[in-house]
Amino acid sequence: QQQVKQSPQSLIVQKGGISIINCAYENTAFDYFPWYQQFPGKGPALLIAIRPDVSEKKEGRFTISFNKSAKQFSLHIMDSQPGDSATYFCAATNAGNMLTFGGGTRLMVKP
Amino acid sequence: NAGVMQNPRHLVRRRGQEARLRCSPMKGHSHVYWYRQLPEEGLKFMVYLQKENIIDESGMPKERFSAEFPKEGPSILRIQQVVRGDSAAYFCASSPNPAGASREQYFGPGTRLTVT
Repeated sequence: QQQVKQSPQSLIVQKGGISIINCAYENTAFDYFPWYQQFPGKGPALLIAIRPDVSEKKEGRFTISFNKSAKQFSLHIMDSQPGDSATYFCAATNAGNMLTFGGGTRLMVKP
Repeated sequence: NAGVMQNPRHLVRRRGQEARLRCSPMKGHSHVYWYRQLPEEGLKFMVYLQKENIIDESGMPKERFSAEFPKEGPSILRIQQVVRGDSAAYFCASSPNPAGASREQYFGPGTRLTVT
């Protein structure tokens, strides 16, 4: 199974709050899990990525948590800002193969 | 270091015409992927190419669609006899070495195809 399920579809957070987006996968051969940020009319931009040999990776305000046994991973955006308002996609892949994307989460951060 | 370049950014075609979408990968990248994004949906894989080779075309519709990545020049996604359902954003991504330690794929700005 190549599917990656993402939730929620949309999310509204107050400025300064924590945004949490979750993804679940089925294919245990996946070994690279990136998150992309996409603004309207633009291409997806690589935000942060993790491999299954670590349980957490942090870059600035963005953190990926990874649970290999549950086949789940999540993106946490700390101190969310209005400029973070965008659509976020999780994805998964394994060596040499295409990215399988989740359905996307539209995040709105209210000032 | 220029990013992935795609042109045209917007393309309008009438039903039955041909659409040609171009992608120049990042410098030093020899792996190119094409994805399609329908309105309000996620990205779906279409085809994976290396120079002069199609590696995986499992996501490509069997008819009307073709892709190439010649030794010289950009990768081309070609859609013949376009239909309204082909209206979408088409993104190209490039990678330096997808089988290696660094698996990142970097996306271009996309081509938005509208079929009238």
